[in-house]
Amino acid sequence: DTEVTQTPKHLVMGMTNKKSLKCEQHMGHRAMYWYKQKAKKPPELMFVYSYEKLSINESVPSRFSPECPNSSLLNLHLHALQPEDSALYLCASSQELTLVGTGGSYTFGSGTRLTVV
Amino acid sequence: DAKTTQPTSMDCAEGRAANLPCNHSTISGNEYVYWYRQIHSQGPQYIIHGLKNNETNEMASLIITEDRKSSTLILPHATLRDTAVYYCIVRKSGGSNYKLTFGKGTLLTVNP
Repeated sequence: DTEVTQTPKHLVMGMTNKKSLKCEQHMGHRAMYWYKQKAKKPPELMFVYSYEKLSINESVPSRFSPECPNSSLLNLHLHALQPEDSALYLCASSQELTLVGTGGSYTFGSGTRLTVV
Repeated sequence: DAKTTQPTSMDCAEGRAANLPCNHSTISGNEYVYWYRQIHSQGPQYIIHGLKNNETNEMASLIITEDRKSSTLILPHATLRDTAVYYCIVRKSGGSNYKLTFGKGTLLTVNP
């Protein structure tokens, strides 16, 4: 299995809702990432997990709460979002956080397109 | 990490080679050049990477100049499905190199 699977593919939520995005990989990768991509912009890093521990939070508002229950699964819990949080949320994984060169490539999922109304 | 400069957009005829340039004049000795692409509404896809030598795989070739200040991604026979945004990214080995940071990229449009 060489894929990163994200669910759901599309999500519409109200500003008072609580929802979760799910990301799964079975490649044995020990680093996992959340990116946010607004329309016509490049992806921006949000969170980095290494060996199921949060390594990096790129100053993301607390209404976004990541969770890594095990080495294959990454969740992003959403609460009290704003319309400006509407975006494509991408999950990625790589073998190891600090590996560059061969084995240092990221595998991305297809993303969850989130609309906040 | 070194910054990269890419043209905003390029066109290519189907079946012809697409040559996408990237300038990374401030690259240091331990920084790799990575290329990813993103087809509309999909996640980015890894294409190829290199350090000093030219590299080739089933998707593309990467030509890095001798001074390493620029590189060119070559898609030898572009198809309509190669229409995408192509990102050139420089990443450092060792230290705090966890970030894969995307620039604006080049929108390659392959025309019939």
